Amino acid sequence: DGGITQSPKYLFRKEGQNVTLSCEQNLNHDAMYWYRQDPGQGLRLIYYSQIVNDFQKGDIAEGYSVSREKKESFPLTVTSAQKNPTAFYLCASSIDWGSETQYFGPGTRLLVL
Amino acid sequence: GNSVTQMEGPVTLSEEAFLTINCTYTATGYPSLFWYVQYPGEGLQLLLKATKADDKGSNKGFEATYRKETTSFHLEKGSVQVSDSAVYFCALGGSYIPTFGRGTSLIVHP
Repeated sequence: DGGITQSPKYLFRKEGQNVTLSCEQNLNHDAMYWYRQDPGQGLRLIYYSQIVNDFQKGDIAEGYSVSREKKESFPLTVTSAQKNPTAFYLCASSIDWGSETQYFGPGTRLLVL
Repeated sequence: GNSVTQMEGPVTLSEEAFLTINCTYTATGYPSLFWYVQYPGEGLQLLLKATKADDKGSNKGFEATYRKETTSFHLEKGSVQVSDSAVYFCALGGSYIPTFGRGTSLIVHP
């Protein structure tokens, strides 16, 4: 089955620690996205990648970093500079930039210990 | 910048009631418009979309019409079911950087 997988489902971060959220897709999509979801705030774009080896900052990139070394993978690192990381993180992909539909993964919930 | 505004929830209805969730957008040009649905603890799923003015998107009894003159894309359903309880997001995209509204929670009681 084709789709997007995110792991882990739950992730706990200690103060001052960097953590990495995984996002993998086997849909052969060029474009991938990371969103943060907070209660009552909707989805806010963190980073997006239109094609492999390229990515751009979204609206709330501070304290986050990404890489896109492979077409199917777009990991997100939450660094210690992100002071309020507790949120639900969603990864998505689309056939290409400008495609009509995004396909979402099941999400990772990040909690701070 | 671009923005999407949708009505605040929660919207609470009885089964078989009529549903409207309002959505308006701000953007230059002609973005594509979308409604996504999110069930508890899950990612978003596309519900319907429209790519140009006056297009009507429809799926599972839900409908929305792209109104350029009022920059709106209101979601409607004639008779809701308990299984429609979820959070609904209006969004713009296409060749634009994706922008989502804050989401509207729908609760349908038997």
